[in-house]
Amino acid sequence: GQQVMQIPQYQHVQEGEDFTTYCNSSTTLSNIQWYKQRPGGHPVFLIQLVKSGEVKKQKRLTFQFGEAKKNSSLHITATQTTDVGTYFCAAPYGNNRLAFGKGNQVVVIP
Amino acid sequence: SQTIHQWPATLVQPVGSPLSLECTVEGTSNPNLYWYRQAAGRGLQLLFYSVGIGQISSEVPQNLSASRPQDRQFILSSKKLLLSDSGFYLCAWDIGTGGTETQYFGPGTRLLVL
Repeated sequence: GQQVMQIPQYQHVQEGEDFTTYCNSSTTLSNIQWYKQRPGGHPVFLIQLVKSGEVKKQKRLTFQFGEAKKNSSLHITATQTTDVGTYFCAAPYGNNRLAFGKGNQVVVIP
Repeated sequence: SQTIHQWPATLVQPVGSPLSLECTVEGTSNPNLYWYRQAAGRGLQLLFYSVGIGQISSEVPQNLSASRPQDRQFILSSKKLLLSDSGFYLCAWDIGTGGTETQYFGPGTRLLVL
């Protein structure tokens, strides 16, 4: 089945610094979704990318879908303590299913 | 607006005991429904999904079963729990062609099997 690989799995980020997390697939994706799960919480949808090379911004978050639609990235600038959590990418596969990556757990150092 | 409920929020059960977790969705019709399990600090493993009443697809063979007795109700069950069934169980829904739309997750049930 569809697999999406996320790197890195863990990041420690100094408050105020920028960081990027990546999502890769060996096959072309119809779309890629990003979710955030706060510690102790449930995953919450952030964004969906559909078009090749698409770039979307949400305040300090920039999401990008690769030209070949096989990879995606999430870049966060000026990290804040509220950015702590696990970021998942997800892509559809088969019928009615989303394959989630293993997530990138982000710890913010004040 | 749509909401999704799960209960109980937390559950501690002995090995060998039965399990029933319930998920209900409000504010939408004909949702696709999903059960995921998340081990501590790990990713999301899809357990079951359903596109309609009585229609259940299982992703992995395991000690669990699912049922959808009503359009907006999804139940996860087990006859005899194993230690390995411990985890964070998340119910989710979406509409249309599943996998192409946003999935909305419930608050989850934390299950500890002792």
